[in-house]
Amino acid sequence: EAGVAQSPRYKIIEKRQSVAFWCNPISGHATLYWYQQILGQGPKLLIQFQNNGVVDDSQLPKDRFSAERLKGVDSTLKIQPAKLEDSAVYLCASSLRGQGASQQYFGPGTRLTVT
Amino acid sequence: KNQVEQSPQSLIILEGKNCTLQCNYTVSPFSNLRWYKQDTGRGPVSLTIMTFSENTKSNGRYTATLDADTKQSSLHITASQLSDSASYICVVSGSTNAGKSTFGDGTTLTVKP
Repeated sequence: EAGVAQSPRYKIIEKRQSVAFWCNPISGHATLYWYQQILGQGPKLLIQFQNNGVVDDSQLPKDRFSAERLKGVDSTLKIQPAKLEDSAVYLCASSLRGQGASQQYFGPGTRLTVT
Repeated sequence: KNQVEQSPQSLIILEGKNCTLQCNYTVSPFSNLRWYKQDTGRGPVSLTIMTFSENTKSNGRYTATLDADTKQSSLHITASQLSDSASYICVVSGSTNAGKSTFGDGTTLTVKP
């Protein structure tokens, strides 16, 4: 079974530039999550999709972050414009069902550095 | 506010030794608790999951315990190996609010030869 795929693995941009991350979840998983993980901290949920609908985006900085999951499969997360404090690893995860009900499978993450 | 506190923040042990990591939580009502292992540069991988009625779960050299009354869990690693060097994250899910999960900040374990 193929795992969660993410690209790119690394990205370096200057502040005020824009960046986009891509995620392809495990086939058949209805729920997709985007997390932000700052060095030394646990992952923080940014947004959760159930198929192509948003379930939770309460911690997504909507003035600069956006995400979509067209056709209920792969997803993109965009930051525009980026700030220095956005430097982090962005993890994508998927699960058969939502949140604690089933195991989340994580991708390798995208390490973003904003200079 | 739901919180998950892990201790210690970091730990260094010699190869072959045992260690125990702690997780205290305030998530209520409780649904389940998972321990994840996160290798450097990779995403977290689930080690164990425990529900309210379970107080011990093993996965090879990893044994997790849960005391739902005191809201505490521990992860015990036996006969540590160099490959155990990683961050271990405790995740607690509630039974309301769509089963929202709360992540701890993890314990960074370094196993030295």
